[in-house]
Amino acid sequence: DVKVTQSSRYLVKRTGEKVFLECVQDMDHENMFWYRQDPGLGLRLIYFSYDVKMKEKGDIPEGYSVSREKKERFSLILESASTNQTSMYLCASRTGFSYEQYFGPGTRLTVT
Amino acid sequence: GEDVEQSLFLSVREGDSSVINCTYTDSSSTYLYWYKQEPGAGLQLLTYIFSNMDMKQDQRLTVLLNKKDKHLSLRIADTQTGDSAIYFCAETPTGAGSYQLTFGKGTKLSVIP
Repeated sequence: DVKVTQSSRYLVKRTGEKVFLECVQDMDHENMFWYRQDPGLGLRLIYFSYDVKMKEKGDIPEGYSVSREKKERFSLILESASTNQTSMYLCASRTGFSYEQYFGPGTRLTVT
Repeated sequence: GEDVEQSLFLSVREGDSSVINCTYTDSSSTYLYWYKQEPGAGLQLLTYIFSNMDMKQDQRLTVLLNKKDKHLSLRIADTQTGDSAIYFCAETPTGAGSYQLTFGKGTKLSVIP
């Protein structure tokens, strides 16, 4: 079974803090994704990575950066957290041979 | 541009059938997916259908695809309270080098005991 894990289920940070969200997958998947999910807006893609050290902007990259130093790990970084980044963050991965994405359990981030 | 539309809410009584509908715009999509998200959890793949099929059945789930109208539906027979969740429709991307699924905004299914 594919497993995608995220470092925290719940996180509370203060405005202006630097925040790291970690995602790890155990199936040697090439592609990894970060989404945020907000009520009424569905899933919006922040960034994705198609290989180690490779990244592409998604639909809403502003205020975020990412890092992929190892194939199994994809990090989302909020350089200076703001209250409008309070959201549920979902990580996903997929192989290069299938479009199906496997999701982690999500991190609910609150910025106060 | 690409878009996937779903109604936001559906409420059914326990034991009834639920039908969740989705329309998509990209006629060249090869696969269409249904994902389920239970409260506080990530998305879990429920089922998918290849674009050359018009129906797929898997236990209580039936997926119908009308490619001409670009309409996809998910029918859940004998709906249970454990089926209460948000259901997302998604289509495959097109174009070389494209990696993203396009998701609808999700339909929240509430099952009344």
